[in-house]
Amino acid sequence: GAGVSQSPSNKVTEKGKDVELRCDPISGHTALYWYRQSLGQGLEFLIYFQGNSAPDKSGLPSDRFSAERTGGSVSTLTIQRTQQEDSAVYLCASSLGGGNQPQHFGDGTRLSIL
Amino acid sequence: GENVEQHPSTLSVQEGDSAVIKCTYSDSASNYFPWYKQELGKGPQLIIDIRSNVGEKKDQRIAVTLNKTAKHFSLHITETQPEDSAVYFCAFYSRRGSTLGRLYFGRGTQLTVWP
Repeated sequence: GAGVSQSPSNKVTEKGKDVELRCDPISGHTALYWYRQSLGQGLEFLIYFQGNSAPDKSGLPSDRFSAERTGGSVSTLTIQRTQQEDSAVYLCASSLGGGNQPQHFGDGTRLSIL
Repeated sequence: GENVEQHPSTLSVQEGDSAVIKCTYSDSASNYFPWYKQELGKGPQLIIDIRSNVGEKKDQRIAVTLNKTAKHFSLHITETQPEDSAVYFCAFYSRRGSTLGRLYFGRGTQLTVWP
């Protein structure tokens, strides 16, 4: 069946521009997660959705980062006024229920800020 | 906050040998421990997981062991093959500091299997 789908797969933009990253979770998965992975580093948690609400936004690095989820399905991560330190791979994962259920990842969006 | 220590950060083995990666976690109430494999340019892929009511779980050449008393768990890969080369991440689930709980990931182990 279809896995987690992320788009675009690559995004290059100039410093100061806004970007939107999209995640399409596995059908029926109620939980959705965003992570950030810098080159050669581990996974940095950003935000977690259960349905359309975000009970845990603790990982968002600044108020330039925001995310929403509509219809309990697709989620968008928005970064405003991008900075060079925002360059990373942004990964999305989904799971059937809460955090103690297997998470399935997409292949990420590689974001490069010039 | 919660944390997990993963060792070693890099591991090189000869094809056919075994590889072991160990993680130590902070939350004694944790009950779910997955392992992920990440190949270059791909997202992490779940390869095996274990819950706290069992001490060991096997799936072909891969096994995970859990020691709740010591708060550590390990990934064992036997008869390694070059295609096992990847970055491996451990994780554990904790509800501390988060309303519904989430996974906390180790920093990863780069495994290289030489033919």
